[in-house]
Amino acid sequence: ETGVTQTPRHLVMGMTNKKSLKCEQHLGHNAMYWYKQSAKKPLELMFVYSLEERVENNSVPSRFSPECPNSSHLFLHLHTLQPEDSALYLCASSVVGASGEQYFGPGTRLTVT
Amino acid sequence: SQQGEEDPQALSIQEGENATMNCSYKTSINNLQWYRQNSGRGLVHLILIRSNEREKHSGRLRVTLDTSKKSSSLLITASRAADTASYFCALPSSNDYKLSFGAGTTVTVRA
Repeated sequence: ETGVTQTPRHLVMGMTNKKSLKCEQHLGHNAMYWYKQSAKKPLELMFVYSLEERVENNSVPSRFSPECPNSSHLFLHLHTLQPEDSALYLCASSVVGASGEQYFGPGTRLTVT
Repeated sequence: SQQGEEDPQALSIQEGENATMNCSYKTSINNLQWYRQNSGRGLVHLILIRSNEREKHSGRLRVTLDTSKKSSSLLITASRAADTASYFCALPSSNDYKLSFGAGTTVTVRA
């Protein structure tokens, strides 16, 4: 148990659906991250929120929309996804300026049909 | 930001043996981190080594850092089946909060 929870753990959605992934951290951290992990590829950083402000958006398609309402919660809203978006989506948190050590949630396995 | 490159990509060992994997990088760093990921799960932070440190231990893990060669190694001693996982090195960006991960080394420990 890392102190970072993600729901749901598994999600199957059609290309026309809208769904949201949720992440919550109980560590008092002030930065949160979304990563995408596809088979045989390195972790891809999607979004970074530092002090509740988005500071990085690595050219992610607009069908992915993040939301960070407070320092403990992070959402990833999904709509009109493509089959190639099927992957493990990982949330992480850290303390800004504290060496960059990140704590990860267990991930949401997303399948787009 | 730079990515570390792990070597080898995959490693298969017998239980009780040692496993060694390496990470190389290109530009100077403040620290280097190692993470483990069990199949289909989140990553777990294992150890952080700072640029002014040469070696660090945590239980059966030993990490070395050679800044002159821009490389680090992770040694798992007396491996167990539970050590079967993927291992990643991660490099923080200059502003500290962002990490870049390599492609990882997949370790299989055979009983």
